[in-house]
Order: sequence, then structure tokens, then C-alpha cells
Amino acid sequence: QAVVTQEPSLTVSPGGTVTLTCGSSTGAVTSGHYPYWFQQKPGQAPRTLIYDATNKNSWTPARFSGSLLGGKAALTLSGAQPEDEAEYYCVLSSSGVVVFGGGTKLTVL
Amino acid sequence: EVQLLESGGGLVQPGGSLRLSCAASGFTFSSYAMAWVRQAPGKTLQWVSGIFGGGTITYYADSVKGRFTISRDDSRNTVYLQMSSLRVEDTALYYCAKTRGMHATHPDSWGLGTLVTVSS
Repeated sequence: QAVVTQEPSLTVSPGGTVTLTCGSSTGAVTSGHYPYWFQQKPGQAPRTLIYDATNKNSWTPARFSGSLLGGKAALTLSGAQPEDEAEYYCVLSSSGVVVFGGGTKLTVL
Repeated sequence: EVQLLESGGGLVQPGGSLRLSCAASGFTFSSYAMAWVRQAPGKTLQWVSGIFGGGTITYYADSVKGRFTISRDDSRNTVYLQMSSLRVEDTALYYCAKTRGMHATHPDSWGLGTLVTVSS
């Protein structure tokens, strides 16, 4: 089973830009892994921001975008807001197995 | 609006059983695969099980295979997770999730979760 890797923590300044990444131990992440990105705030259920690498849900703020970058899935936040401070998780599918990453704690400071 | 309401969690002894339910509304339930995802306290998310629309195909994480059974009742818009031979490490908040399609695997809309505690 693949191990999905994320940065444990990142810090961004208000108004700044940050990129979170999601890698796989089995090799490059592609659209065939159907990368999703979730945001979770303390005490709340996760919320899906990005699906299939680049697609946004209707509730996803425009400042979030998804991509495939350098063999990884990436979530870019442009113009960070204090309310974006949260844990961010990615998930990949490989050979019918669905694996979450360990999460990235994003601090807006 | 998609709504998912989990129930059935609680305190159970190791080796015991529980059945979780998830009542869905706001979408055509039979047309979507459903999933269960859990989160142990302070830990990352872990995908547990999924069931395709039509209920003919189910799949499980290795850690629960043979102990958990997912099922659905499209007439009641409800998905279930029957958990048996429970272990301390199954303690977690269990989320029900709707996927994006009949044969999709990833969670897209989430419930608020139901807490399962396995302890003696």
C-alpha cells in the first residue's frame, strides 16, 4: 500500500501564497490517482476543497487551486486569510486502495 | 443540500459489535457510492470502507477486512457499517461520506461523525 506524504506544517503570512504538496511512495502522482484536498478546522468535519486534482466544489474559495506539480499533487493558496488556518489533507487512490496523507497544519501568521 | 446524519456510535468492549447508520438526504442516494472514513483522536483521516451505487461492489481497508461489513438500503436512503470483533485501535470518530459518482471512491460531502470508543 502506498504511503501518501504531506508537509507536517507550513506557515504563511496573511495575504501571502503557499503551496502544499501530496506525494506517493510508489512514484509520481497523476490524474489517475484522483487527488482530492480537504480542509479540516478543529472540532469540525472535513470539507472537500478540490477533487480530481484541479476541480473546485461550489463552496471552494477562489483563492484555493489544485494542480499536478513535479510528480505531486499540489494545493496552492493565494492571498491567505486568517480563516484558512486549518489542517489540510490529501487523498489518493491506487489500485482500488484509498489512502489519506498525514495532513499539513497550516498556520496563517 | 446534501445532509448526512450518522448514528449508532458509543462505548463498546473489545471484541464487541456495533452498527453505524448514516441517513442521507438532499440527493438521489441510489446514484452515488458511499464511504466511511474514520479519525482517531489527534490523528489523520483513514478510509475504512466504500460501497458502489447498486450495492454490488464493496471494498475495505486491510485493517478492517473480515471484521466490518458495509451495506446500503436505497429504499431508506441509508448506509450502514456493521463492526464486529472491535479492537481498541478502532476507537475513532466515524464519518459517513457521499462520493461524486456511482462508482467513485473518494469522499466528497461529509457528515458530522459518530464517535466509537472501544475500551474495557
